[in-house]
Amino acid sequence: DARVTQTPRHKVTEMGQEVTMRCQPILGHNTVFWYRQTMMQGLELLAYFRNRAPLDDSGMPKDRFSAEMPDATLATLKIQPSEPRDSAVYFCASGLVVGGSITDTQYFGPGTRLTVL
Amino acid sequence: DQQVKQNSPSLSVQEGRISILNCDYTNSMFDYFLWYKKYPAEGPTFLISISSIKDKNEDGRFTVFLNKSAKHLSLHIVPSQPGDSAVYFCAASAISSGTSYGKLTFGQGTILTVHP
Repeated sequence: DARVTQTPRHKVTEMGQEVTMRCQPILGHNTVFWYRQTMMQGLELLAYFRNRAPLDDSGMPKDRFSAEMPDATLATLKIQPSEPRDSAVYFCASGLVVGGSITDTQYFGPGTRLTVL
Repeated sequence: DQQVKQNSPSLSVQEGRISILNCDYTNSMFDYFLWYKKYPAEGPTFLISISSIKDKNEDGRFTVFLNKSAKHLSLHIVPSQPGDSAVYFCAASAISSGTSYGKLTFGQGTILTVHP
């Protein structure tokens, strides 16, 4: 039963601290997405990667957020320094994209609930 | 700029009745639409999709209707069951552009509550 995993599931931190969220995409998927869920905006796309290369990170606040894929089995989202307004649930999703079109749906991880005090 | 909008934050329905969730979009490039369901403490899961070449797609109790001229789609659940209580997200993609690479634009979500 292949699934996307995310760690940690919950994170409480103080303003100004660095936060790192990790995601393991489904084996064989070549595209990874990071989303943030807020009450007002729903699911916002922060960044996404294809074959580990960043395709679009225009949804991220560049001054404090960074996303990377050190290897095909790990994607990271970092916030430094964190602020109370960053409190949200962060989801990672993965999919298989061939020729510019996704061949299947995106599969989501369970999310990381971040609280910045 | 909210390109996909779900104007009803919540919907309450009696078990056995029909649930209708609505979604509007503004981007004419969108040609593939999906609905995701999300339970608390879980990630969204795919429910049903429709391509712009169709105006209806059915899967069991779930039917999605697409009105391209109105840039509107809806999800019908018949009959509704208490287990359908969840947040429903509408999403859209511009597949024909060849550059979406699976990118989805989501709406804000609608909380559906089905009462026994």
